[in-house]
This record gives sequence, structure tokens and C-alpha cells, in this order.
Amino acid sequence: AAGVIQSPRHLIKEKRETATLKCYPIPRHDTVYWYQQGPGQDPQFLISFYEKMQSDKGSIPDRFSAQQFSDYHSELNMSSLELGDSALYFCASGLPGSFGGELFFGEGSRLTVL
Amino acid sequence: AQSVTQLGSHVSVSEGALVLLRCNYSSSVPPYLFWYVQYPNQGLQLLLKYTSAATLVKGINGFEAEFKKSETSFHLTKPSAHMSDAAEYFCAVSYDTGTASKLTFGTGTRLQVTL
Repeated sequence: AAGVIQSPRHLIKEKRETATLKCYPIPRHDTVYWYQQGPGQDPQFLISFYEKMQSDKGSIPDRFSAQQFSDYHSELNMSSLELGDSALYFCASGLPGSFGGELFFGEGSRLTVL
Repeated sequence: AQSVTQLGSHVSVSEGALVLLRCNYSSSVPPYLFWYVQYPNQGLQLLLKYTSAATLVKGINGFEAEFKKSETSFHLTKPSAHMSDAAEYFCAVSYDTGTASKLTFGTGTRLQVTL
């Protein structure tokens, strides 16, 4: 079965650089969620989209932005990177009627900021 | 606000012993509760979920959890631990908003299985 696809899987950037992460949800899933997981931390909700519109916003820094495109894939753009942005970034997809949001997670994109 | 609390950041059991990972929730509305497992350098995999049907929920890999409203708990159990169960386990809560409903995770419990 198709799963959530994230790219790139690993990314190394310098401070103050920009990074873009991509997420391709499971076919027919129209909701996308982004989470950030720091080392030894639980996943923290960043932002979500439903039918290409932002549906909820969590602890996402102003330096970050995201959008969902017409084919339902999503991109997370991170600018002015800081050392503290080093983390595993997960994308998840789901169906809006899936009983309280059962989410299917991708393998994650590991960002390292040097 | 909804949240979950996982008691014990590290749990160590012997192979073949009972696994018990604790999770308590707080929610102002009926919650949906989940357990996810994360193996090293991998994504989150759903173990099981509670969605107000049966209070005893069976999941994959022999795990199960019981929703106890009186105790606001959703503890995860497995009768006999296997070495392959060593991983990080996250309890999570959400509620149905009708559109996109995010998951809020607990801080996780690392399960170690010893010989």
C-alpha cells in the first residue's frame, strides 16, 4: 500500500540558510500535518492543511511557512535556519472523517543545521 | 485543552514479562486516543486506537489498551515482551472537529527489553 512520502530524507544546512521539505500524502488523503521532533522529544505539531487551506496552526516559528498544492502535496519552507531547528520533521496525512484524526506518518526528514 | 501524560520515560522489562506503559489523558470533550510506536530513525507507526466503540482495544504485535473513563487512563499492555518490542512508545489524543484534527503526543516512553 502507498504510504506518505517525504523528501529529502536527510538535509544538512548552514545557519541562516533556507530549507524546503516536501510531503506527498497517501492517495485520496486531503489533510496534511507537519510535526517537528527534536532529539529525545515528542513530536510537536506545527501546522495542518485541509483541502489546500490551512486548518490549524501550532508552534510554528514565523520563519517557517507551508502550503498545500492542488495535487495535495505539501511543502514546508524554513528560512534563516538556526541550530535549534535541527530535528526530525514528520509529515502525516489523514482523511477528515477518520474518527478523530488517525494519522499516517512518513519516515521523516532529518534536518541538521551546522 | 487536551493532553496526555505518560508516566515513566523509561521502562525496562525482561523478555517474556508483562509490558505495561501508562498513559493518562485530560480532555474537555470525549477523546480519541492512540498509541504509536517509533523504532530508531523511523517514522511513527500506529499500534492501536480508541474511538468510543469498545473500551478494550486490540492492536498490532500483540498489544492492547483499555480505555477507563473513571481513571482517565489508556494504558498499553502486552502479556509477553519480545526483544523486537524495544522502541519508543507515544500516547496521543485528538478529538473530531469534522475537518483536520491534530494529534497531541505525550512525552514518550522508551521500552527496553532485556534477556
